[in-house]
Amino acid sequence: NAGVTQTPKFRILKIGQSMTLQCTQDMNHNYMYWYRQDPGMGLKLIYYSVGAGITDKGEVPNGYNVSRSTTEDFPLRLELAAPSQTSVYFCASSFPRTGRSTDTQYFGPGTRLTVL
Amino acid sequence: AQSVSQHNHHVILSEAASLELGCNYSYGGTVNLFWYVQYPGQHLQLLLKYFSGDPLVKGIKGFEAEFIKSKFSFNLRKPSVQWSDTAEYFCAVKGTYKYIFGTGTRLKVLA
Repeated sequence: NAGVTQTPKFRILKIGQSMTLQCTQDMNHNYMYWYRQDPGMGLKLIYYSVGAGITDKGEVPNGYNVSRSTTEDFPLRLELAAPSQTSVYFCASSFPRTGRSTDTQYFGPGTRLTVL
Repeated sequence: AQSVSQHNHHVILSEAASLELGCNYSYGGTVNLFWYVQYPGQHLQLLLKYFSGDPLVKGIKGFEAEFIKSKFSFNLRKPSVQWSDTAEYFCAVKGTYKYIFGTGTRLKVLA
C-alpha cells in the first residue's frame, strides 16, 4: 500500500491564481481530511469528508473548496490564491472503528505552497 | 468547545535526560487521545493513542503517556531521550469525526 499520497510536493502561486492539491489513499478509508500547518499554530482542519459525496467544513474553510467523488480521492481547490494561504497542507485519512479500538489518522507527505 | 493545550512550545534537552510534555484537553464526550510526532521534513506519524482501559499507554520508541481524567491531561513521557527524538510533537483529541490538534512542542535533543 502506498498509503496517503499528495501531489505536488511544492508549488509557488501568484496572487489570484487557482490550483488543486491532489490527495489519494489506497487503504479504503471512509474518512479523509485536509489540514494546513503554520509555524507555532499546529494543524488546522480545513475540510473533511466521511464518505464519497459527503464533505463538511472544518475550522478554516474560507478560500478553499473540496469534493469527494470517490472513496480514494479528496482534492482541495484554491480558487483565488492569497498570501495568507502560504502554508504546508496535509491530507489524512482514517477508518472508523468501534468496540475495542479507535481509528488512527494516516497522513500524507504534505504540499508546501507559497503564494507571492 | 473542544480544545487541546500544549504548554511547552520549545524544549531543549541533553541526551539521556528524561522528557515530559504536557497536554490538556477540553472535550465533553468520550475521549480518544493521540500523540503524533513529526520529524524534520516528514509527515506526522502516530506515537501512541488512548481510547479506553489502562490509562498508561505505551507507544513506539520507548514513549508512554498517562491519561488522567480528573486533570484532563494526557502527558507524554520518555525516561531517556536520544538525539533522534528531535522532532515536533502534537497532542490531539478526537471527537465524533474531527480531530483537534494542539499547537505542538518542538523538542531539540543535544548530543
